[in-house]
Amino acid sequence: DSGVTQTPKHLITATGQRVTLRCSPRSGDLSVYWYQQSLDQGLQFLIQYYNGEERAKGNILERFSAQQFPDLHSELNLSSLELGDSALYFCASSVVDSYNEQFFGPGTRLTVL
Amino acid sequence: DQQVKQNSPSLSVQEGRISILNCDYTNSMFDYFLWYKKYPAEGPTFLISISSIKDKNEDGRFTVFLNKSAKHLSLHIVPSQPGDSAVYFCAAGESQGGSEKLVFGKGTKLTVNP
Repeated sequence: DSGVTQTPKHLITATGQRVTLRCSPRSGDLSVYWYQQSLDQGLQFLIQYYNGEERAKGNILERFSAQQFPDLHSELNLSSLELGDSALYFCASSVVDSYNEQFFGPGTRLTVL
Repeated sequence: DQQVKQNSPSLSVQEGRISILNCDYTNSMFDYFLWYKKYPAEGPTFLISISSIKDKNEDGRFTVFLNKSAKHLSLHIVPSQPGDSAVYFCAAGESQGGSEKLVFGKGTKLTVNP
């Protein structure tokens, strides 16, 4: 158990809908990262938050947004969903300025029908 | 453009033998590298890392080698055990990049046969 929790585990929805994925980082970790893993792909970095502020953006679509709340949990909002958004979405957390391991949650599997 | 490449999608070895997983990168700004292991239905778990100031790091049965001139790293598992069967991801980061984000390869599925 990494200490990072993600809800829900599975999500099935229809095209055009909007969903929210939730992540609670390890206790004491200020940085939260979101990654997307599509079929046969590695993990693609989406966005990083540090202590409530956006720190870095990757290949995140404009239809996607995220935020980190004062209690440090984070939410990833996906809107106008398309079939191609079906993927595993992982949240990870790390300590301040950690150039070492990030700790990953179990992921949320999103299926868009 | 893939900055981190794992060219072998799968690898099969016998229990007790050495497993060697390879990873190549193109961005010369990467200065730290990590290996993660992933079981089905779980998130990736950290295995071992190496900074660019080193060329080798060892942790028990796991050793990572870094060849900066070739932009290549490898993970050696000796001896391999059936419980090592998983997908292994290579990841890289830039300490001067303003973010601790990681760039991942597509993974290599290791199967260790009893």
